[in-house]
Amino acid sequence: AQSVTQPDIHITVSEGASLELRCNYSYGATPYLFWYVQSPGQGLQLLLKYFSGDTLVQGIKGFEAEFKRSQSSFNLRKPSVHWSDAAEYFCAVGVSYGGSQGNLIFGKGTKLSVKP
Amino acid sequence: GAGVSQSPSNKVTEKGKDVELRCDPISGHTALYWYRQSLGQGLEFLIYFQGNSAPDKSGLPSDRFSAERTGGSVSTLTIQRTQQEDSAVYLCASSLVAAGASTDTQYFGPGTRLTVL
Repeated sequence: AQSVTQPDIHITVSEGASLELRCNYSYGATPYLFWYVQSPGQGLQLLLKYFSGDTLVQGIKGFEAEFKRSQSSFNLRKPSVHWSDAAEYFCAVGVSYGGSQGNLIFGKGTKLSVKP
Repeated sequence: GAGVSQSPSNKVTEKGKDVELRCDPISGHTALYWYRQSLGQGLEFLIYFQGNSAPDKSGLPSDRFSAERTGGSVSTLTIQRTQQEDSAVYLCASSLVAAGASTDTQYFGPGTRLTVL
């Protein structure tokens, strides 16, 4: 069965420090992979996505993620964290229905706190 | 253009009552999804509509849950005889699935927070 694992429930980093959020997936075919961010009381906003091609994907707000098929991973990175990045981050894999995308399967999320 | 909208933003109900949650997708989006976000279970898929095809109901947790999509646009999620474990944030998303495209981005609404007393 398809699944997504985010091993870190809560991470705290200092402002200006680098960030890496881990995501591992289990999926039988070529995965469609996503990172979403959710600020308190807000909906989900797409940060970036991987469908095919270049395995290093650039997103909004200075985030990037690298797809590593051999490790079944899609880790999210940012070189320098800002206080406004404090939020919850969700990794997701898109289920494929006959070549078209169906629903998303989400990880449990990683809550990011930023120290001044 | 307008994003996905959901109403109401908050709903408090008593155990055993029925509730209806509404989702207005982005205009022109053919695919519509419902998800549930709760503390214990994280984000769970509920149901998926794609054009005129039969919906994928595989994520609905019980037969108390149902959803419809009228005219290929607005969708209503109905929960009958609500239970306390139904308390959660219900999120709706839509995507534009163009002909021949295999993938697309889902855009999420702000959600409806349901509290069952």
